[in-house]
Amino acid sequence: QVQLMQSGAEVKKPGASVKVSCKASGYTFTGYYMHWLRQAPGQGLEWMGWINPDSDVTKSAQRFQGRVTMTRDTSISTAYMELTRLRSDDTAMYYCARDRRDYAPGTLASWGQGTLVTVSS
Amino acid sequence: DIQMTQSPSSLSASVGDRVTITCQASQDINTYLSWYQQKPGKAPRLLIYDASNLETGVPSRFSGSGSGTDFTFTISSLQPEDIATYYCQQYENLPFTFGPGTKVDVK
Repeated sequence: QVQLMQSGAEVKKPGASVKVSCKASGYTFTGYYMHWLRQAPGQGLEWMGWINPDSDVTKSAQRFQGRVTMTRDTSISTAYMELTRLRSDDTAMYYCARDRRDYAPGTLASWGQGTLVTVSS
Repeated sequence: DIQMTQSPSSLSASVGDRVTITCQASQDINTYLSWYQQKPGKAPRLLIYDASNLETGVPSRFSGSGSGTDFTFTISSLQPEDIATYYCQQYENLPFTFGPGTKVDVK
């Protein structure tokens, strides 16, 4: 079965960077897009971007461009999301989610357990 | 960006009731719409994709319909385990965007 295991909670100071990992198992890692999303406390879901683990092509929401970097290591079936220049309003649960299809990304079928990132001075 | 709206923002219904949530997109998204269920403290779960297709393993009491800008999500007979927040999401255009959610309670 598809499993996505994310790294543990992080506490960062404003201006710092955070890198969250997402280790995939139970399927061919390079076969499906991987998305990153976040959810601020008590708020809704916000899509940040996706990476095609096969081609290493990425697309991110414009509001995160310049601050977010999505990478992958196919040798260990792991995707990464790094967010720089952290602000207090970046405090959120961050999720990785595997796409349902191996083409035309958009349906988020399998989710990691979430990584809580807290930004506080 | 495509804006997604949902109504109602919350509802309370009895076990066995039919529950309907609507989702509207700010522009035509064809049928590129999914519905997710999120229980407190948990990651979201995909229920419906392509507006009306039931994800594998999801109970048949959940259904979706619509195309273009107007969509409907229905729970045919509400169960206690359906207490959750439900989100619609469009994937016609980047960035993918979500509705604000509908919180469903059982009376």
